[in-house]
Amino acid sequence: QKEVEQDPGPLSVPEGAIVSLNCTYSNSAFQYFMWYRQYSRKGPELLMYTYSSGNKEDGRFTAQVDKSSKYISLFIRDSQPSDSATYLCAMRNTNAGKSTFGDGTTLTVKP
Amino acid sequence: GAVVSQHPSRVICKSGTSVKIECRSLDFQATTMFWYRQFPKQSLMLMATSNEGSKATYEQGVEKDKFLINHASLTLSTLTVTSAHPEDSSFYICSASDTPYEQYFGPGTRLTVT
Repeated sequence: QKEVEQDPGPLSVPEGAIVSLNCTYSNSAFQYFMWYRQYSRKGPELLMYTYSSGNKEDGRFTAQVDKSSKYISLFIRDSQPSDSATYLCAMRNTNAGKSTFGDGTTLTVKP
Repeated sequence: GAVVSQHPSRVICKSGTSVKIECRSLDFQATTMFWYRQFPKQSLMLMATSNEGSKATYEQGVEKDKFLINHASLTLSTLTVTSAHPEDSSFYICSASDTPYEQYFGPGTRLTVT
């Protein structure tokens, strides 16, 4: 079983929809939780990071962490065609230098 | 935000030759740099972690003699694929970090070995 599980999709939504992306994990030592966006043939771009549990909002993006359930989410409001990309969740232990990544969810927002 | 560059962006080489990929943090000092490999429609596979001035830590299954990593300064790390073979063809991505929670990725290098 992988440490981080992420549904690969693909996920297709109409423009303006609310998108929910999720990851589950098994390692209770994870403290930092990140979401990255990766466009085709490009490197990942950090979207959001959250420390421990709680919510964090940045514009149309909201990240949620529920450590008791070992579940994290990324919500995208008013989705746009430019949001079409692969979204990767990632997690880190405070003492480790490396992140563990999910496999990514491919999102398409149709005009 | 922090910028990480990679050079070259694409490279084609013949089987048996070596290829060097550079990763630079342009506007911050990276205490740690990571090298990843990514196959089409798959996630990032961590190959190694390097700290400036010390030997890289390789993940299990990654041949350290084949994938040579040098982290000579706080802004530069290099990955050399030695004696490349077609199965080494992949998208190689570096990232740089100066904090425990933020990791900035380069744009990637697509390597094709013929």
